Amino acid sequence: AQKVTQAQTEISVVEKEDVTLDCVYETRDTTYYLFWYKQPPSGELVFLIRRNSFDEQNEISGRYSWNFQKSTSSFNFTITASQVVDSAVYFCALSEARTGANNLFFGTGTRLTVIP
Amino acid sequence: EAGVAQSPRYKIIEKRQSVAFWCNPISGHATLYWYQQILGQGPKLLIQFQNNGVVDDSQLPKDRFSAERLKGVDSTLKIQPAKLEDSAVYLCASSLEGWGVGNSPLHFGNGTRLTVT
Repeated sequence: AQKVTQAQTEISVVEKEDVTLDCVYETRDTTYYLFWYKQPPSGELVFLIRRNSFDEQNEISGRYSWNFQKSTSSFNFTITASQVVDSAVYFCALSEARTGANNLFFGTGTRLTVIP
Repeated sequence: EAGVAQSPRYKIIEKRQSVAFWCNPISGHATLYWYQQILGQGPKLLIQFQNNGVVDDSQLPKDRFSAERLKGVDSTLKIQPAKLEDSAVYLCASSLEGWGVGNSPLHFGNGTRLTVT
């Protein structure tokens, strides 16, 4: 069965610090997809990134970067030079090809607070 | 493009009452999902529709929960009778494609926050 672990329940950083959110996953499928979503206080889930299991290239998008390592089953998310607007709950999620690429299994989330 | 619309935004009911939530997905999105998010947890899939057919409802408590998407567009999720543990945010999401990878991620609505007292 699939499992997503976000061991960090809450993180607080001071504005402009870098912060890394950890995500460890378990799956028996060889084809799977990993996601990060942001949930600000308003409640909607905002899609940040999707990677498939065959693409281990790290990705950078502005101040966001993602490190996918199959060897450790991890898909960590780093925010560089954090800003107050980054304060939110961040969810890592997994889906498996056999059950549908958009049938997401979410972790419990990490609440990030950026202090001005 | 307009996002996924959900209503109501908030709902408070007493246990054993019934409640219904409505979702209008992004225009043209074939696949629609209902997720339940209990406070402090990640969302959990309840049911997935492809057009007006159910693809996966394995995690839907069918003794009290029901959902439909009659014309393959809007969807309603109903709880009858509600229990205290049903207090949660109910999120609707849609995507252009369903089963395959595609390029379309899930788009979520703002959710309906249900409180059962």
